[in-house]
Amino acid sequence: GENVEQHPSTLSVQEGDSAVIKCTYSDSASNYFPWYKQELGKRPQLIIDIRSNVGEKKDQRIAVTLNKTAKHFSLHITETQPEDSAVYFCAATLHEKTSYDKVIFGPGTSLSVIP
Amino acid sequence: KAGVTQTPRYLIKTRGQQVTLSCSPISGHRSVSWYQQTPGQGLQFLFEYFSETQRNKGNFPGRFSGRQFSNSRSEMNVSTLELGDSALYLCASSLWAGSQETQYFGPGTRLLVL
Repeated sequence: GENVEQHPSTLSVQEGDSAVIKCTYSDSASNYFPWYKQELGKRPQLIIDIRSNVGEKKDQRIAVTLNKTAKHFSLHITETQPEDSAVYFCAATLHEKTSYDKVIFGPGTSLSVIP
Repeated sequence: KAGVTQTPRYLIKTRGQQVTLSCSPISGHRSVSWYQQTPGQGLQFLFEYFSETQRNKGNFPGRFSGRQFSNSRSEMNVSTLELGDSALYLCASSLWAGSQETQYFGPGTRLLVL
């Protein structure tokens, strides 16, 4: 079955710097990779996702890149702000039409942005 | 538009009991998925329902079950509770438009098993 690893487990950056979180997956059939942000005591939020037919996707200060050959995908946050402090989870699944297979999550990265 | 709601928000049960949690999705969302979150195991996928049908299930024992009603509201049931079932149970409702998913989580039900 699918297995997702995520690194680093904790990350501290200065405000304004960039942050990069990397995930690797094991099942080459996986084709949909969402990222979630969970602030302390709050519910997760889907912040960006990427499909396997796309190499990169951007949304303002966040971007996700995917390397299908190496089976890894990364979240990039530029110009970090204190409100970016949260736990970030990556996930991998097989998505067909409007259905997806079991979603496997990475263990999470706790990001702290120091003002 | 109202968000995803879950009831109850907090629950205390004892081992061996059973529990039923409820999730009301955003209006128009037909897909509801359930997740378990614990400090030790992180986020784990339980199951997903669409149009009253369970489409996928994660690696959980048969004690965990669910259903979805015609109005898309969903319930999950855990029978014969174990201490390890203590967790935050999250549901999310999704809407797919083409290949783009819009997914929103509910606030969760925090279950404590004593």
